[in-house]
Amino acid sequence: EVQLVESGGGLGQPGGSLRLSCAASGFTFRSYWMSWVRQAPGKGLEWVANIKQDGSEKYYVDSVKGRFTISRDNAKNSLYLQMNSLRAEDTAVYYCARDHQMATFAFDIWGQGTMVTVSS
Amino acid sequence: EIVMTQSPATLSVSPGERATLSCRASQSVSSNLAWYQQKPGQAPRLLIYDASTRATGIPARVSGSGSGTEFTLTISSLQSEDFAVYYCQQYNNWPTFGQGTKVEIK
Repeated sequence: EVQLVESGGGLGQPGGSLRLSCAASGFTFRSYWMSWVRQAPGKGLEWVANIKQDGSEKYYVDSVKGRFTISRDNAKNSLYLQMNSLRAEDTAVYYCARDHQMATFAFDIWGQGTMVTVSS
Repeated sequence: EIVMTQSPATLSVSPGERATLSCRASQSVSSNLAWYQQKPGQAPRLLIYDASTRATGIPARVSGSGSGTEFTLTISSLQSEDFAVYYCQQYNNWPTFGQGTKVEIK
């Protein structure tokens, strides 16, 4: 079964850090672009970042540039999101998503999400 | 940033009827458009990509059309499992989503 499982969410302090992880299974992880997409409570979806198959290219939405870092470990079939300098507006469910092989930036497999709350 | 605008915000439809959802882009996105379905407490599910190609496992009653700036998602003969929120998303540039259309039971 193709599956993505996120972990690492929780309560973070403003200005603090959190690291999200996503474990992939059931497909050849190293063959796909991967992304993080977030959804603030009661709001719509926002793409956050994505990373090329070999990690050589990374892209971010403007609001997280310089604060968040996406990375991957193909040997461990894992995707990560290092979140620094957290802000209240980063509060959201964070989804790990697989980019469609025929349409990069369309997301065909999603994890269940992990909740990040930024509050003092 | 390409702004995606969906209409209506809420669509009330009876089971067995057709639902037609609209999505407009602030500039041309060619056919680089996807549609997702999201139910409460669940992750989104890809329905359509490249404006009109059904994703794996999506039934034929779900169809997408359009190109450029105007797109439509049509669900013919709504089933109980189709009542949800639907999002369009462009990926011609950095990906952006519409604000969603809620399809509710009339």
